[in-house]
Amino acid sequence: DQQVKQNSPSLSVQEGRISILNCDYTNSMFDYFLWYKKYPAEGPTFLISISSIKDKNEDGRFTVFLNKSAKHLSLHIVPSQPGDSAVYFCAASARANDYKLSFGAGTTVTVRA
Amino acid sequence: KAGVTQTPRYLIKTRGQQVTLSCSPISGHRSVSWYQQTPGQGLQFLFEYFSETQRNKGNFPGRFSGRQFSNSRSEMNVSTLELGDSALYLCASSLPQLAGVNEQFFGPGTRLTVL
Repeated sequence: DQQVKQNSPSLSVQEGRISILNCDYTNSMFDYFLWYKKYPAEGPTFLISISSIKDKNEDGRFTVFLNKSAKHLSLHIVPSQPGDSAVYFCAASARANDYKLSFGAGTTVTVRA
Repeated sequence: KAGVTQTPRYLIKTRGQQVTLSCSPISGHRSVSWYQQTPGQGLQFLFEYFSETQRNKGNFPGRFSGRQFSNSRSEMNVSTLELGDSALYLCASSLPQLAGVNEQFFGPGTRLTVL
Protein backbone atom coordinates (compact mmCIF):
# COMPACT_ATOMS: atom_id res chain seq x y z
CA ASP A 1 0.00 0.00 0.00
CA GLN A 2 1.59 3.23 -1.20
CA GLN A 3 1.42 5.69 1.69
CA VAL A 4 3.20 8.43 -0.21
CA LYS A 5 1.99 9.30 -3.67
CA GLN A 6 3.40 11.48 -6.38
CA ASN A 7 0.68 11.51 -8.99
CA SER A 8 2.62 13.34 -11.67
CA PRO A 9 5.28 11.08 -13.16
CA SER A 10 6.81 13.91 -15.14
CA LEU A 11 7.02 17.67 -15.34
CA SER A 12 8.48 19.88 -18.04
CA VAL A 13 9.29 23.51 -17.28
CA GLN A 14 11.12 26.31 -19.01
CA GLU A 15 14.38 27.56 -17.57
CA GLY A 16 13.80 30.47 -15.21
CA ARG A 17 10.21 29.53 -14.43
CA ILE A 18 8.83 27.87 -11.32
CA SER A 19 8.69 24.09 -10.91
CA ILE A 20 6.00 22.80 -8.56
CA LEU A 21 6.12 19.17 -7.50
CA ASN A 22 3.27 17.68 -5.51
CA CYS A 23 3.09 14.86 -3.02
CA ASP A 24 0.18 13.38 -1.07
CA TYR A 25 0.29 11.02 1.88
CA THR A 26 -2.21 8.88 3.71
CA ASN A 27 -0.56 8.12 7.05
CA SER A 28 -1.42 10.78 9.63
CA MET A 29 1.43 9.52 11.83
CA PHE A 30 4.04 10.94 9.48
CA ASP A 31 5.82 13.79 11.22
CA TYR A 32 8.79 14.39 8.97
CA PHE A 33 8.90 14.93 5.24
CA LEU A 34 11.86 15.02 2.90
CA TRP A 35 12.62 15.57 -0.74
CA TYR A 36 15.39 13.73 -2.52
CA LYS A 37 16.81 14.37 -5.95
CA LYS A 38 18.25 11.66 -8.16
CA TYR A 39 20.38 11.87 -11.28
CA PRO A 40 20.81 8.83 -13.55
CA ALA A 41 23.43 6.35 -12.36
CA GLU A 42 23.65 8.05 -8.97
CA GLY A 43 21.94 7.48 -5.66
CA PRO A 44 19.35 9.97 -4.39
CA THR A 45 20.68 13.01 -2.55
CA PHE A 46 18.88 14.87 0.19
CA LEU A 47 17.40 18.19 -0.90
CA ILE A 48 15.19 19.69 1.78
CA SER A 49 12.98 18.59 4.64
CA ILE A 50 10.17 19.86 6.82
CA SER A 51 8.84 18.90 10.20
CA SER A 52 5.12 18.52 10.74
CA ILE A 53 5.16 21.41 13.19
CA LYS A 54 5.96 23.78 10.34
CA ASP A 55 4.13 24.65 7.17
CA LYS A 56 7.02 26.05 5.17
CA ASN A 57 10.75 25.59 4.88
CA GLU A 58 12.97 27.47 2.50
CA ASP A 59 16.51 26.81 1.35
CA GLY A 60 17.76 28.98 -1.46
CA ARG A 61 15.77 28.25 -4.60
CA PHE A 62 13.90 25.40 -2.91
CA THR A 63 10.81 25.79 -0.74
CA VAL A 64 8.69 23.02 0.69
CA PHE A 65 5.13 23.65 1.81
CA LEU A 66 3.18 21.34 4.07
CA ASN A 67 -0.61 21.25 4.41
CA LYS A 68 -1.31 18.77 7.17
CA SER A 69 -5.07 18.98 6.99
CA ALA A 70 -4.94 18.03 3.31
CA LYS A 71 -2.06 15.59 3.83
CA HIS A 72 -0.27 17.33 1.01
CA LEU A 73 3.14 18.79 0.46
CA SER A 74 4.76 20.50 -2.43
CA LEU A 75 8.24 21.49 -3.53
CA HIS A 76 8.77 24.76 -5.35
CA ILE A 77 11.93 25.42 -7.32
CA VAL A 78 12.41 29.03 -8.33
CA PRO A 79 13.97 29.78 -10.73
CA SER A 80 14.35 26.41 -12.43
CA GLN A 81 17.76 25.70 -13.92
CA PRO A 82 18.91 23.03 -16.41
CA GLY A 83 20.84 21.29 -13.62
CA ASP A 84 17.55 20.74 -11.83
CA SER A 85 16.56 18.15 -14.43
CA ALA A 86 16.36 14.97 -12.37
CA VAL A 87 13.94 12.63 -10.64
CA TYR A 88 12.51 14.03 -7.41
CA PHE A 89 11.29 11.74 -4.67
CA CYS A 90 9.03 12.75 -1.85
CA ALA A 91 9.53 10.78 1.38
CA ALA A 92 7.91 10.71 4.79
CA SER A 93 8.76 9.20 8.14
CA ALA A 94 7.24 8.77 11.56
CA ARG A 95 8.97 8.86 14.91
CA ALA A 96 6.66 6.05 15.98
CA ASN A 97 8.23 3.92 13.25
CA ASP A 98 11.86 4.76 13.98
CA TYR A 99 11.77 7.20 11.09
CA LYS A 100 11.58 4.47 8.50
CA LEU A 101 11.26 6.30 5.19
CA SER A 102 8.33 5.77 2.83
CA PHE A 103 8.99 7.08 -0.66
CA GLY A 104 6.77 8.19 -3.48
CA ALA A 105 7.26 6.88 -7.02
CA GLY A 106 9.09 10.01 -8.13
CA THR A 107 8.54 12.86 -10.56
CA THR A 108 10.91 13.37 -13.47
CA VAL A 109 11.59 17.06 -13.99
CA THR A 110 12.92 18.33 -17.30
CA VAL A 111 14.03 21.94 -17.47
CA ARG A 112 14.00 23.26 -21.05
CA ALA A 113 16.49 25.91 -22.09
CA LYS B 1 34.95 11.83 3.81
CA ALA B 2 34.21 8.96 1.44
CA GLY B 3 30.60 8.39 0.51
CA VAL B 4 28.54 5.22 0.59
CA THR B 5 29.98 2.56 -1.67
CA GLN B 6 28.17 -0.40 -3.14
CA THR B 7 29.58 -3.41 -4.91
CA PRO B 8 29.13 -4.67 -7.48
CA ARG B 9 27.59 -1.89 -9.55
CA TYR B 10 26.07 -4.24 -12.09
CA LEU B 11 25.07 -7.86 -11.85
CA ILE B 12 23.36 -10.33 -14.18
CA LYS B 13 21.92 -13.52 -12.75
CA THR B 14 19.46 -16.19 -13.88
CA ARG B 15 16.26 -17.28 -12.21
CA GLY B 16 16.76 -19.54 -9.23
CA GLN B 17 20.24 -18.26 -8.41
CA GLN B 18 21.11 -16.27 -5.35
CA VAL B 19 22.97 -13.00 -5.06
CA THR B 20 24.82 -11.04 -2.39
CA LEU B 21 25.20 -7.28 -2.55
CA SER B 22 27.58 -5.30 -0.40
CA CYS B 23 27.41 -1.82 1.11
CA SER B 24 30.02 0.19 2.97
CA PRO B 25 28.53 3.16 4.84
CA ILE B 26 30.06 6.53 5.47
CA SER B 27 32.60 6.34 8.26
CA GLY B 28 30.86 6.88 11.58
CA HIS B 29 27.41 6.00 10.31
CA ARG B 30 25.95 3.04 12.14
CA SER B 31 22.58 2.76 10.45
CA VAL B 32 22.32 1.11 7.05
CA SER B 33 19.10 0.79 5.09
CA TRP B 34 18.36 -1.04 1.87
CA TYR B 35 15.85 -0.08 -0.80
CA GLN B 36 14.62 -1.57 -4.05
CA GLN B 37 13.88 0.82 -6.87
CA THR B 38 11.78 -0.25 -9.83
CA PRO B 39 10.19 1.93 -12.53
CA GLY B 40 6.92 3.41 -11.34
CA GLN B 41 7.30 2.10 -7.79
CA GLY B 42 9.80 4.50 -6.38
CA LEU B 43 11.99 3.27 -3.58
CA GLN B 44 10.63 0.40 -1.58
CA PHE B 45 12.12 -0.08 1.87
CA LEU B 46 13.66 -3.50 2.44
CA PHE B 47 15.24 -3.30 5.89
CA GLU B 48 17.41 -1.28 8.20
CA TYR B 49 20.31 -2.43 10.32
CA PHE B 50 21.75 -0.67 13.31
CA SER B 51 24.55 -2.03 15.47
CA GLU B 52 24.38 -5.41 13.72
CA THR B 53 20.67 -5.78 14.47
CA GLN B 54 17.75 -5.50 12.11
CA ARG B 55 15.77 -2.56 13.44
CA ASN B 56 13.12 -2.24 10.77
CA LYS B 57 11.75 -4.38 7.97
CA GLY B 58 9.65 -3.71 4.91
CA ASN B 59 7.11 -5.93 3.21
CA PHE B 60 9.34 -8.21 1.21
CA PRO B 61 9.37 -12.02 1.19
CA GLY B 62 11.85 -14.00 3.25
CA ARG B 63 14.01 -14.54 0.16
CA PHE B 64 15.39 -11.09 0.92
CA SER B 65 17.70 -11.02 3.89
CA GLY B 66 20.54 -8.94 5.18
CA ARG B 67 23.10 -8.55 7.86
CA GLN B 68 25.44 -5.97 9.28
CA PHE B 69 28.96 -6.47 10.51
CA SER B 70 30.72 -4.91 13.48
CA ASN B 71 32.35 -2.32 11.19
CA SER B 72 28.83 -1.29 10.04
CA ARG B 73 29.31 -2.74 6.56
CA SER B 74 26.19 -4.50 5.37
CA GLU B 75 25.28 -7.22 2.93
CA MET B 76 21.97 -8.04 1.35
CA ASN B 77 21.13 -11.47 0.02
CA VAL B 78 18.39 -12.53 -2.34
CA SER B 79 17.82 -16.23 -2.77
CA THR B 80 15.92 -18.08 -5.48
CA LEU B 81 15.91 -15.08 -7.79
CA GLU B 82 12.79 -14.23 -9.78
CA LEU B 83 12.45 -12.09 -12.88
CA GLY B 84 10.64 -9.48 -10.80
CA ASP B 85 13.70 -9.01 -8.62
CA SER B 86 15.36 -7.09 -11.44
CA ALA B 87 15.83 -3.63 -10.00
CA LEU B 88 18.24 -1.06 -8.70
CA TYR B 89 19.17 -1.87 -5.11
CA LEU B 90 20.17 1.15 -3.09
CA CYS B 91 21.93 1.26 0.21
CA ALA B 92 21.80 4.29 2.46
CA SER B 93 23.61 5.12 5.65
CA SER B 94 22.82 7.59 8.38
CA LEU B 95 23.63 8.57 11.91
CA PRO B 96 21.16 6.87 14.24
CA GLN B 97 19.09 9.99 14.42
CA LEU B 98 19.94 13.58 13.92
CA ALA B 99 17.48 15.82 15.72
CA GLY B 100 14.67 13.61 14.50
CA VAL B 101 15.75 13.86 10.90
CA ASN B 102 16.44 10.62 9.16
CA GLU B 103 18.56 12.17 6.46
CA GLN B 104 20.14 9.32 4.62
CA PHE B 105 23.13 9.25 2.32
CA PHE B 106 22.71 6.93 -0.60
CA GLY B 107 25.19 4.90 -2.55
CA PRO B 108 25.05 4.70 -6.35
CA GLY B 109 23.20 1.38 -6.24
CA THR B 110 23.64 -2.09 -7.68
CA ARG B 111 21.74 -2.75 -10.89
CA LEU B 112 20.55 -6.38 -10.75
CA THR B 113 19.19 -8.02 -13.88
CA VAL B 114 17.58 -11.44 -13.59
CA LEU B 115 17.28 -13.39 -16.84
